[in-house]
Order: sequence, then C-alpha cells, then structure tokens
Amino acid sequence: KAGVTQTPRYLIKTRGQQVTLSCSPISGHRSVSWYQQTPGQGLQFLFEYFSETQRNKGNFPGRFSGRQFSNSRSEMNVSTLELGDSALYLCASSLEAGGTYGYTFGSGTRLTVV
Amino acid sequence: AQSVSQHNHHVILSEAASLELGCNYSYGGTVNLFWYVQYPGQHLQLLLKYFSGDPLVKGIKGFEAEFIKSKFSFNLRKPSVQWSDTAEYFCAAHTRRDSNYQLIWGAGTKLIIKP
Repeated sequence: KAGVTQTPRYLIKTRGQQVTLSCSPISGHRSVSWYQQTPGQGLQFLFEYFSETQRNKGNFPGRFSGRQFSNSRSEMNVSTLELGDSALYLCASSLEAGGTYGYTFGSGTRLTVV
Repeated sequence: AQSVSQHNHHVILSEAASLELGCNYSYGGTVNLFWYVQYPGQHLQLLLKYFSGDPLVKGIKGFEAEFIKSKFSFNLRKPSVQWSDTAEYFCAAHTRRDSNYQLIWGAGTKLIIKP
C-alpha cells in the first residue's frame, strides 16, 4: 500500500505570506497528526485530526491551523509566516486516534521562510 | 508533567560496538512505548513498540528494547552496530487517562557510527 504522501517536499516563502501543506495518509487510516521538527526543539506536536474532527492540539499560535477532508486527506495552513516557522513539517497517519499503536510518517515538507 | 527523557543527545561508536540508548518516561499509568528512527535524509519510521506482555521486544534491523516498569525505562539495545545504523533515534510514550491521551516524545539521540 502507498505510504504517507506529503506535498510539496520543499517550499520557500517570504515573511508575512501564508502557506498550505498537504498530507495524504495511508489508505484506511483515519487519523492524521502534524508535527514540526527543528534541530533545536526536536519534534513538536501541532494537532491531530480523526474523522474530520480535531482531536488534539499542541501549543502553537492560532496562525497554525488544519483541517481534514472526508477522504482523510489533511491540510495544514500557516498564516503570516515568521522566520521561526522554518522547519520540517511532518505528517503521520494511523488507524486509530493518537498513534496508540504507532504512526507511519511521511517524508515531510521542508519550509524555509526568508 | 509527563515527560520522556533520552539520556544522551549524541553518541559516537565504532562499528561492532554494542549500543544502549537510554529512555525514561514519567507516567504512573498504562503506557505504550515506541522507538522511532530517522536515517539521514529519510522519514521517521517505527523501529519497535511495546504494549504489554513480554517486556523484551524485538524490532527491525536487530534492535531490541526492554521495558522495566520499576525503573520507568525503555532502553534500546543492539549487540553490534553497523555504519548504516547512523541515524537519530526517538523514544516516545503514549499515555491514556479516560478519553484523554498524549504521545510524548523524547528529544532524540543522534547516533554516529564510525566505520
């Protein structure tokens, strides 16, 4: 079965712009979680969607938002980009909510804000 | 607060050396424990997991981990490392209380194997 697909792989944006990242989970997986990975902070949880509902949320400002569609695909949006938003954004899918039995990760979208 | 601690941020070993990466969690209830690995330029992948039963779990590529409840530990081991084990390793704990759950991540350990 196909893995978790994230698009695009790379993005360069200017401060103040907004960006939308996309994630297609493994077929049949209803949970999609988003993480921010940076060298200094490690893995930081953004939010989780399960069956189109946000189930859990990390400690990120309201500029970070997401949604999930009926086919389980998810998008993450960051508005008013700041330099500190430069990071690798990872999407992880699982059958059940919360990654209880483990996640499958995508390759990530590397966002650079200049 | 619940947390996962990985003892070493960086570990450097020679090929064929034995490996043990420490992981301790702070949570008194039921936990599911995981080790994930991120090879250079690749995505995070699940190495092994513990839910219940035999506290010694075996994962891919010859890795194993032992759950010691009394020590709140879930250390990762490999008897003889290879250059291809160079990667970053993350320990994670999934905790649940009623309908609330959390997946808590350690800061990661960068492992470098010298050929």
